[in-house]
Amino acid sequence: GQNIDQPTEMTATEGAIVQINCTYQTSGFNGLFWYQQHAGEAPTFLSYNVLDGLEEKGRFSSFLSRSKGYSYLLLKELQMKDSASYLCAVEDGGGSYIPTFGRGTSLIVHP
Amino acid sequence: SQTIHQWPATLVQPVGSPLSLECTVEGTSNPNLYWYRQAAGRGLQLLFYSVGIGQISSEVPQNLSASRPQDRQFILSSKKLLLSDSGFYLCAWRGLARDEQYFGPGTRLTVT
Repeated sequence: GQNIDQPTEMTATEGAIVQINCTYQTSGFNGLFWYQQHAGEAPTFLSYNVLDGLEEKGRFSSFLSRSKGYSYLLLKELQMKDSASYLCAVEDGGGSYIPTFGRGTSLIVHP
Repeated sequence: SQTIHQWPATLVQPVGSPLSLECTVEGTSNPNLYWYRQAAGRGLQLLFYSVGIGQISSEVPQNLSASRPQDRQFILSSKKLLLSDSGFYLCAWRGLARDEQYFGPGTRLTVT
């Protein structure tokens, strides 16, 4: 089985930087996803990390440490439209390619 | 580019009625396909996944079933809906490279 933990809610100010953490315990590891989900909409793919380290995509970056069972999503230059739920999903080993999702972190960006 | 379609977008059905939700993918071949459900205030729950035509794996025992009659078509069905079947149903696909997974727009189902 898998245990995925994310903070339930975070708040931040427009223009600031926020880091959303995700810790996990799995039997083996294939990869870790981050998704953004606005209220009432489907999740939008942000990143997929397989190897340790930081991957940057514009204002969003994702970090992975497999040995520590830890990932974070870093959002820079926050905008009001970044207010959304951020979902961490982890695939365990075995080649099944089935991600298990955490409960998500609700990010509220204030002006 | 790949596109994923789901219909209908919203659905209101009485308890005990049947259900059929359809998902189709364009622009890719032999994708992995997934059905998820997101209940109000809860996380995404995997219901079914498929690695090919006619190959369906169920993750949660319940009154739902899935079928994959064509490579890029995935159908979620029920013979008799329960109140607890209400939720946001999402289809997702994953290509051969396995490094991305995309969701369709979803179907919001309310069972009354």
